[in-house]
Amino acid sequence: AQSVTQLGSHVSVSEGALVLLRCNYSSSVPPYLFWYVQYPNQGLQLLLKYTTGATLVKGINGFEAEFKKSETSFHLTKPSAHMSDAAEYFCAVSDLLRGTYKYIFGTGTRLKVLA
Amino acid sequence: DVKVTQSSRYLVKRTGEKVFLECVQDMDHENMFWYRQDPGLGLRLIYFSYDVKMKEKGDIPEGYSVSREKKERFSLILESASTNQTSMYLCASIPPRQGAFSAGYTFGSGTRLTVV
Repeated sequence: AQSVTQLGSHVSVSEGALVLLRCNYSSSVPPYLFWYVQYPNQGLQLLLKYTTGATLVKGINGFEAEFKKSETSFHLTKPSAHMSDAAEYFCAVSDLLRGTYKYIFGTGTRLKVLA
Repeated sequence: DVKVTQSSRYLVKRTGEKVFLECVQDMDHENMFWYRQDPGLGLRLIYFSYDVKMKEKGDIPEGYSVSREKKERFSLILESASTNQTSMYLCASIPPRQGAFSAGYTFGSGTRLTVV
C-alpha cells in the first residue's frame, strides 16, 4: 500500500523567505502526487499535482513542487512567503483500492508566516 | 466550476444521537468519499462509494454507516454518536474511472461536528 510522510508538523518562516514543505512517499508503481491547502475552517483546495511529464509542477499562488523519483520525494516550495500563505498543507499520493481510486494523505504541515 | 456541498458547517449533537451528515455534488461524479480529519492524524478514510447503492469500507468505518441512494448524494451516518467522533468531516468526489487517477479530489468545505 502507498504511504505519505510529511516531515515537520509545524513550519515557521518569515514573510519574504523561502517556503519548503517536505513530502516523501512510498509507492510500488509510478504515483500521482498532490498538494492540497486548507485555510482555517475550510475544506481542502488543490494546489498542484504531478501526473506524468515534466517533473517540476507549478501550482496556484506561486507554489511549485518537484517530483524526484530517485528520492521518492515531492517537496513543495515557494520563493517568497506571504502572510496569506499561512495554512495547513497536505501531501497526497494516489492508490487503487478495490477497483476504485483514492488518495492517501500525509498528516499535514501547518505553515506559520511571521511578519 | 465543480461543487461539493456539505449541508452543515457546524453541528453540535448529544451522545447517543443518530447523526446524518449530507454531501451533494453537482458534477455527475461516480466516486464519493467521506474522511475525518483530526490534528496530527491527517485525513482518514471512513467510507467511499463508487456508484449508487455501492459502498466500501475505508480505514476507520467503525461506528459509521453510509447511504448512496442517488448519484449526487452521499450521506454519512453516525448510528449512536460518541464523544470520540468529535471531528472535522470532509466529503470529496472524483470523476469517473478514466479520469479519476489523475484528477484530484474536489472537497466540500467540511462539517465540524462536536458531540457532547
